[in-house]
Amino acid sequence: QVHLQESGPGLVKPSETLSLICSVSGGSVRGYYWSWIRQPPGKGLEWMGYLYNSGSTNYNPSLKSRVTISLDTSKNHFSLSLTSVTAADTAVYYCARAEITYNLGSGSRNWFDPWGQGTLVIVSS
Amino acid sequence: QSVLTQPPSVSAAPGQKVTISCSGSSSNIGNNYVSWYQQLPGTAPKLLIYDNDKRPSGIPDRFSGSKSGTSATLGITGLQTGDEADYYCGAWDDSLSAGQVFGSGTKVTVL
Repeated sequence: QVHLQESGPGLVKPSETLSLICSVSGGSVRGYYWSWIRQPPGKGLEWMGYLYNSGSTNYNPSLKSRVTISLDTSKNHFSLSLTSVTAADTAVYYCARAEITYNLGSGSRNWFDPWGQGTLVIVSS
Repeated sequence: QSVLTQPPSVSAAPGQKVTISCSGSSSNIGNNYVSWYQQLPGTAPKLLIYDNDKRPSGIPDRFSGSKSGTSATLGITGLQTGDEADYYCGAWDDSLSAGQVFGSGTKVTVL
């Protein structure tokens, strides 16, 4: 059974870069889509983007200029980088495996399973 | 402000049924599949329903999903205290601001 675990600094200063790693165990990162989703305290879920092992990516347009998701197959993990952070980026950050397919005529099939336990990142000086 | 609209809260007594609505548009629910997630207090979201109405292995059949037009519904029957959680719907959005979108979340309270 695939297990995901986020890791990284819990505190980042404004204007700096937030960097997180999602370690994948119980399966390979190859051949799947991987995603980051965040949740500000007391608020809902916000999709940040996804990555496929071919290197193709798709990012939330509202974050596109600041976010990068990358894959390291040798370490079986994928990463999140978010630049120029502000207090508004304070959130619990989740990594998840994504199922993403598109069927002409019936639309996109997207879901996220499993999820990591999440890691709280606070942006503050 | 979420693209998909859900009621902030629903409640019912143990053993009863609740339904949670998720309203969208032709660019998301109307053209694409819906998924649902359960987030127990202090934990990560968990997939409950995918492809509008399919349950992953291990999800009891007390949970059901349906879709009609630009809206989707999650149903929970035989409500248990352990079902107290936040529930989110999700779908892909094909608009100019394309991407995965989620509902605002619904808090289920077991009375």
